[in-house]
Amino acid sequence: SQQGEEDPQALSIQEGENATMNCSYKTSINNLQWYRQNSGRGLVHLILIRSNEREKHSGRLRVTLDTSKKSSSLLITASRAADTASYFCATDYHSGAGSYQLTFGKGTKLSVIP
Amino acid sequence: DTEVTQTPKHLVMGMTNKKSLKCEQHMGHRAMYWYKQKAKKPPELMFVYSYEKLSINESVPSRFSPECPNSSLLNLHLHALQPEDSALYLCASSQAIPGQRAKNIQYFGAGTRLSVL
Repeated sequence: SQQGEEDPQALSIQEGENATMNCSYKTSINNLQWYRQNSGRGLVHLILIRSNEREKHSGRLRVTLDTSKKSSSLLITASRAADTASYFCATDYHSGAGSYQLTFGKGTKLSVIP
Repeated sequence: DTEVTQTPKHLVMGMTNKKSLKCEQHMGHRAMYWYKQKAKKPPELMFVYSYEKLSINESVPSRFSPECPNSSLLNLHLHALQPEDSALYLCASSQAIPGQRAKNIQYFGAGTRLSVL
């Protein structure tokens, strides 16, 4: 299984602090993505990092990828209450005719306390 | 427009009912997906459609029947469900450009919360 494992399962921080979430996966990948899910809602894509990239930034998000350790981390800087959500890493593999199915990790539930 | 619309938002059904979930997107995406998500768990893939053809069925019981009538619509027909099928059902879509893996960003709908009594 390519399923990723997030660490920690739950994280509670004060507003303004940084939040770091880690993801490990089992097999080789082409891309790794991070998604956010607000409680009971759909997932929103945050960032995609390719296997030949080591670090990527998008606004307050920083993602790193270490293919030798089969791990990735997501850093959210200067967290806000609105960042409260579950965060999932996902690896993809080909499912035919240009479609690529995602396998999600177990997720980290982030709570940002105002 | 980056919206995937799912209806209904909530559905309560008995084990003998037949109901359908609907998903619609107008982004020109040619890959569409159904996921099932139980509480505090990650989404689990059920079906993948590429260019309106079923390409993946992840060993889903036959009481779930997908249908892709055109490139913008995806349905999930439900029949004789069990209480353990209660979950959030998510639809997603993505561009399906062979060879362009980096384009596989999936756009999700808000989901249908299904309760089977």
